[in-house]
Amino acid sequence: EAGVAQSPRYKIIEKRQSVAFWCNPISGHATLYWYQQILGQGPKLLIQFQNNGVVDDSQLPKDRFSAERLKGVDSTLKIQPAKLEDSAVYLCASSFGTNYEQYFGPGTRLTVT
Amino acid sequence: AQSVTQLDSQVPVFEEAPVELRCNYSSSVSVYLFWYVQYPNQGLQLLLKYLSGSTLVESINGFEAEFNKSQTSFHLRKPSVHISDTAEYFCAVSGGSSGNTPLVFGKGTRLSVIA
Repeated sequence: EAGVAQSPRYKIIEKRQSVAFWCNPISGHATLYWYQQILGQGPKLLIQFQNNGVVDDSQLPKDRFSAERLKGVDSTLKIQPAKLEDSAVYLCASSFGTNYEQYFGPGTRLTVT
Repeated sequence: AQSVTQLDSQVPVFEEAPVELRCNYSSSVSVYLFWYVQYPNQGLQLLLKYLSGSTLVESINGFEAEFNKSQTSFHLRKPSVHISDTAEYFCAVSGGSSGNTPLVFGKGTRLSVIA
């Protein structure tokens, strides 16, 4: 079974530029999550999708962050414009059904200079 | 709302020695508890989980954790660590009933195994 795929793995941009991250969850997983992991901290939820609908985006900074999950499969997370404090690893995870287990991708490490 | 406290940010230990990584949680509802491991430059991998039933849960690589409701703890233990156990360990809690509730993570504990 293929795992959660993310790209790119690394990205360096200057502040005020825009950036997009892509995630392909495990086939058949209806729920998709984006987490932000700042250095020295645990992951923090940004947004949760159930199929192509948003379940929870209460911690997403909507003035600069946006996310979509077209057709209930792949997802894209965008930051525009980026700030220095957005430097972090962005983790995508997916889950199936009610077994409480989330499967994580390798993450995208973003550095904003 | 749920929260997780990992009491130690770094734990150095000699190879073949026992280790305990501490985790305390707070929640106003029934909880489900998890330990994830993160090796350098990799994503998070589930190590073990407590959903219900026996309060002692085990992983395939020798780790175990015990759910203690009265002390609101879910400490992770291994009787004899190996160099390959060097990684960051995250305790997480989920308080929902649907099985698809987002996880709330602690800040992590960096385990360094010394030869």
